[in-house]
Amino acid sequence: GQNIDQPTEMTATEGAIVQINCTYQTSGFNGLFWYQQHAGEAPTFLSYNVLDGLEEKGRFSSFLSRSKGYSYLLLKELQMKDSASYLCAVRDQNTNAGKSTFGDGTTLTVKP
Amino acid sequence: DGGITQSPKYLFRKEGQNVTLSCEQNLNHDAMYWYRQDPGQGLRLIYYSQIVNDFQKGDIAEGYSVSREKKESFPLTVTSAQKNPTAFYLCASSSTPSLAGYTFGSGTRLTVV
Repeated sequence: GQNIDQPTEMTATEGAIVQINCTYQTSGFNGLFWYQQHAGEAPTFLSYNVLDGLEEKGRFSSFLSRSKGYSYLLLKELQMKDSASYLCAVRDQNTNAGKSTFGDGTTLTVKP
Repeated sequence: DGGITQSPKYLFRKEGQNVTLSCEQNLNHDAMYWYRQDPGQGLRLIYYSQIVNDFQKGDIAEGYSVSREKKESFPLTVTSAQKNPTAFYLCASSSTPSLAGYTFGSGTRLTVV
């Protein structure tokens, strides 16, 4: 099975940088995803890591260390619209299944 | 544009009723998934399907049923055996294997009245 931990809530200031951590303990691993979910809406895909290291995509970056079972999502130049829940998800080792287990999400509040 | 459509957006169910949530995609994705989300929690997997005419139970399948008769469609029935069905239901699809994660529908909010 999969056990995924994220902080429940975080607060940051507009224009700042925030790092959202995710740790996981899994029986198998085939990639880690980050999603953004605004209140009352469906999640949208942000990033994917399967190898160790940093993946950068505009203001968002994601890091993975497989040996430590650790990932983080880094958001730069925060904007008010970044206030949302951020979900970490680990994909099952069975590639064909493609199913993922989700953490409970981190609610980020961006203040002026 | 390709996408994934869920209907209805809001659904009210009386005690003892079965209800069916619709999920249709035109992304040509092989895999489809149903997740349930309760307030303040992450997504929990109900059922998933990798190919037509095949599906597997997820972590919380009791009280639910699905079918996959067409590649495009993966309806979810919430039966009367599901004792606490009030939740936000999300359908998703993906190519297999996918480097782009899931594409989600807009969700169905089910309330028992």
